[in-house]
Amino acid sequence: DARVTQTPRHKVTEMGQEVTMRCQPILGHNTVFWYRQTMMQGLELLAYFRNRAPLDDSGMPKDRFSAEMPDATLATLKIQPSEPRDSAVYFCASAPRTDTQYFGPGTRLTVL
Amino acid sequence: GIQVEQSPPDLILQEGANSTLRCNFSDSVNNLQWFHQNPWGQLINLFYIPSGTKQNGRLSATTVATERYSLLYISSSQTTDSGVYFCAVVGGTSYGKLTFGQGTILTVHP
Repeated sequence: DARVTQTPRHKVTEMGQEVTMRCQPILGHNTVFWYRQTMMQGLELLAYFRNRAPLDDSGMPKDRFSAEMPDATLATLKIQPSEPRDSAVYFCASAPRTDTQYFGPGTRLTVL
Repeated sequence: GIQVEQSPPDLILQEGANSTLRCNFSDSVNNLQWFHQNPWGQLINLFYIPSGTKQNGRLSATTVATERYSLLYISSSQTTDSGVYFCAVVGGTSYGKLTFGQGTILTVHP
């Protein structure tokens, strides 16, 4: 049963610390997405990649967030420095081209 | 960008009841998905349905793309159906970017 995996599942950190979230997309999916879910904003796209190339990162605060795909089996989302307003659940999703998107379990981030 | 509106925002049912959730969108779409977010936060794919009708067990969905809406039907609801139901669409020029509605919170009482 292929699925998207994300680590860590939970992260508590202090303001100013670096946070790295990892995602392993479903094998064979060439499009990877990062979404963020908050009570105020709901679910919103941060960035996405196709064939490891970034296509759109307009939803991401550029000064502190960065997203990369070092290889086809790993996507990373980094926040440096983290702030309390970054507290949210971060989801990774993958899809074959622009077809159905499959979501991982999410990383629940709390920045104190 | 494309706007997605879901109704009703909240729905409370007794077990066994049927329900219809609606999703309206403001522009043509290439992709429309329905998700169920369970109490543990997991987003579960229900349907990929940019047009037409699909059924999966007690759930079915219909999208009328020309009229810019989609409906999710839940029949014989169970307590495990509780959670938040999201509609999400990819607009015609959004190249894969899903825009989510605000969701319908469903509570099914035994």
